[in-house]
Amino acid sequence: ETGVTQTPRHLVMGMTNKKSLKCEQHLGHNAMYWYKQSAKKPLELMFVYNFKEQTENNSVPSRFSPECPNSSHLFLHLHTLQPEDSALYLCASSQDRSPGGEKLFFGSGTQLSVL
Amino acid sequence: DQQVKQNSPSLSVQEGRISILNCDYTNSMFDYFLWYKKYPAEGPTFLISISSIKDKNEDGRFTVFLNKSAKHLSLHIVPSQPGDSAVYFCAAKYNNNDMRFGAGTRLTVKP
Repeated sequence: ETGVTQTPRHLVMGMTNKKSLKCEQHLGHNAMYWYKQSAKKPLELMFVYNFKEQTENNSVPSRFSPECPNSSHLFLHLHTLQPEDSALYLCASSQDRSPGGEKLFFGSGTQLSVL
Repeated sequence: DQQVKQNSPSLSVQEGRISILNCDYTNSMFDYFLWYKKYPAEGPTFLISISSIKDKNEDGRFTVFLNKSAKHLSLHIVPSQPGDSAVYFCAAKYNNNDMRFGAGTRLTVKP
C-alpha cells in the first residue's frame, strides 16, 4: 500500500461534466496539497489544507473546488472545465507546514483530459 | 514569476559516468532546497535536500551542492545507472511558504 493514493489514474471528461478526484494518505500527515502539472511547466500549487483547514488558494478558478473532510482524505471537484485544464493533477501530503516538516509525499496523479 | 529554473530540459549520459543536473533560483529568501525524481506514470518522490546553512549534502551516489552567492544548486549522481533515468525536479522554499518547483530535467542514462 503506497503512502498517498489517488483515483482515478486517468479521466476523460467533456466540458459540461462534473467529476471528482480523490486522494487518500496513509502516512498520518497533517497537510495535504493539490498540484497541477502541465507539460514542460513547473508544478503549480493549487490548494493547501493544514489540519483540515484550507490555508491557501492560489488564484485557482472556481471550476475547481477542493474538499478535505478529514486529514487523510482530499477531493478535487471538477465542473465545466476547459480544454486547457487538461494536465496531470497530483496530490501530496506532508507532516505539516512548519520548517522541517515540509517534505512532500506525492501520489501517482490523475491524468485529466478535457474534450 | 518562475523563481526556480531548470534551464536544461534534458540530459543524456553514459552509464557509470557522472550526471550533473543544475537549478537556479531568484528568491534569496529560499532556505531549504529539495530534489525530487519522477518516473513515468508515478508521482515525484523525494530524493535529497539541503538547508541553506550547508553547501553540500551527500547520500550514497547522490550529492547536492548549494552556491548561495550564485543562487545555484546542482545534483550530482555518480556513478549513473540506467535506473536513474527519470525526470528530476528542483524545489525551494522558506518558512511556511509554498514550495516552488522547476520545470524538470529529463535524465537518460544509456547502458
